[in-house]
Amino acid sequence: DAGVIQSPRHEVTEMGQEVTLRCKPISGHNSLFWYRQTMMRGLELLIYFNNNVPIDDSGMPEDRFSAKMPNASFSTLKIQPSEPRDSAVYFCASSFVGVNQPQHFGDGTRLSIL
Amino acid sequence: SQKIEQNSEALNIQEGKTATLTCNYTNYSPAYLQWYRQDPGRGPVFLLLIRENEKEKRKERLKVTFDTTLKQSLFHITASQPADSATYLCALGAGTASKLTFGTGTRLQVTL
Repeated sequence: DAGVIQSPRHEVTEMGQEVTLRCKPISGHNSLFWYRQTMMRGLELLIYFNNNVPIDDSGMPEDRFSAKMPNASFSTLKIQPSEPRDSAVYFCASSFVGVNQPQHFGDGTRLSIL
Repeated sequence: SQKIEQNSEALNIQEGKTATLTCNYTNYSPAYLQWYRQDPGRGPVFLLLIRENEKEKRKERLKVTFDTTLKQSLFHITASQPADSATYLCALGAGTASKLTFGTGTRLQVTL
C-alpha cells in the first residue's frame, strides 16, 4: 500500500521566492496534518484538515503561510514570500478522523531558504 | 503553558538490555498518549497508543505505561537490538480533537 507521499523531497530556494509543498494522503484517510520540524522546536503542528476542511490553523506562523486541501487526495502548503527562518523539514501526515487515531507520516520535504 | 519533556540527551545502552525512555508533561490533561519512532531522514512511525484509563500496554518487545498522577509515560524496549537505534517521540492527545502535541524526542543508541 502506498503511504503518504510528499514532494519535493528537497527544496533549496532564495529568500523572497514562493515555495509550494505537496502531499498525497493515504487513500481513505480523511484527516490531514502539516507539521514543521526543527532542532530547536521539535515537531510542531501547523494546520490540520478533517474531510478537506481546515479545523485548526493556530500553528501557522504568520500570513506568509497558507494551506489548501482541494480534494481528499491532495494538499498544498505554500510559503510566500519565503524567509531563511522558514528552513526546516516539513511533514505531512494522514489518519482517519477521530481521537486516538495513529497518524501516518510522509518522509518530509527538507526546505532550505538561502 | 503546556509542556512535554523528553530527555534531550541520547540514551546509550548495550544490546540485550532494557531501554527505558521517559515522557513528562505539565499543564496538560491528555486523554491518550502515543509513541512514535523516527529514523534519520524519515517521518515518524506510529508504535503504540495508551489511553488515560489504561496503566500499561504491550506490543512484542515494547511496553508503555501511563501514570496520570505523576503526569508521566515510560516507554520500554526489552532485549534491545542495534536496529532499535532511533529517535523516539511521545505525543499527547486531548481527546476532543484529532491533533497531537509532540515531545522533542529522545535518541536511543544500542551498541553491541
